[in-house]
Amino acid sequence: GQNIDQPTEMTATEGAIVQINCTYQTSGFNGLFWYQQHAGEAPTFLSYNVLDGLEEKGRFSSFLSRSKGYSYLLLKELQMKDSASYLCAVMVRSDKIIFGKGTRLHILP
Amino acid sequence: SQTIHQWPATLVQPVGSPLSLECTVEGTSNPNLYWYRQAAGRGLQLLFYSVGIGQISSEVPQNLSASRPQDRQFILSSKKLLLSDSGFYLCASTSDRAEAFFGQGTRLTVV
Repeated sequence: GQNIDQPTEMTATEGAIVQINCTYQTSGFNGLFWYQQHAGEAPTFLSYNVLDGLEEKGRFSSFLSRSKGYSYLLLKELQMKDSASYLCAVMVRSDKIIFGKGTRLHILP
Repeated sequence: SQTIHQWPATLVQPVGSPLSLECTVEGTSNPNLYWYRQAAGRGLQLLFYSVGIGQISSEVPQNLSASRPQDRQFILSSKKLLLSDSGFYLCASTSDRAEAFFGQGTRLTVV
């Protein structure tokens, strides 16, 4: 079967750093995606990792370890607009993309 | 980059009525296409995906169906809607596995 786990909710303070973890156990692996989703809106693409290591894009970074079935999304210099759900997704065999349940991130002033 | 068009943005339909949601993609060719449903406050459930014209993989047994009559067109249908079909329907597209984009979604309420 396919299993993608991430924390349900997290809280952080404006200006701080937060790390959102994702672990997966899937049949096949063709890459891992992170998305941001504000309430009532469609998800927006943040990052894609297919090789081990860290990918940095401005305030957001994503890390992957394929041997451990583990990824994290790192958000720096948090802003109030970063309050959203963050979705981890894995592309498995046959190019199917499956999602975790998402992590709701609350930013406190 | 790709642009995914979905319409309508909001839809209210009575139980037992038919449904047709269309998704079209611009800016790429031969994409993989996906239909997801998201219940309120929940994660994305994969309904169907397609790697080419006429090729549909169904993930969840239900009263929905999907078709891909053209390379960049993906249609989600139902002959008779149920109350449980209510949700936020999202179409996604990826053409090189490195990025997967979503349309703006259709919020369907079955009454």
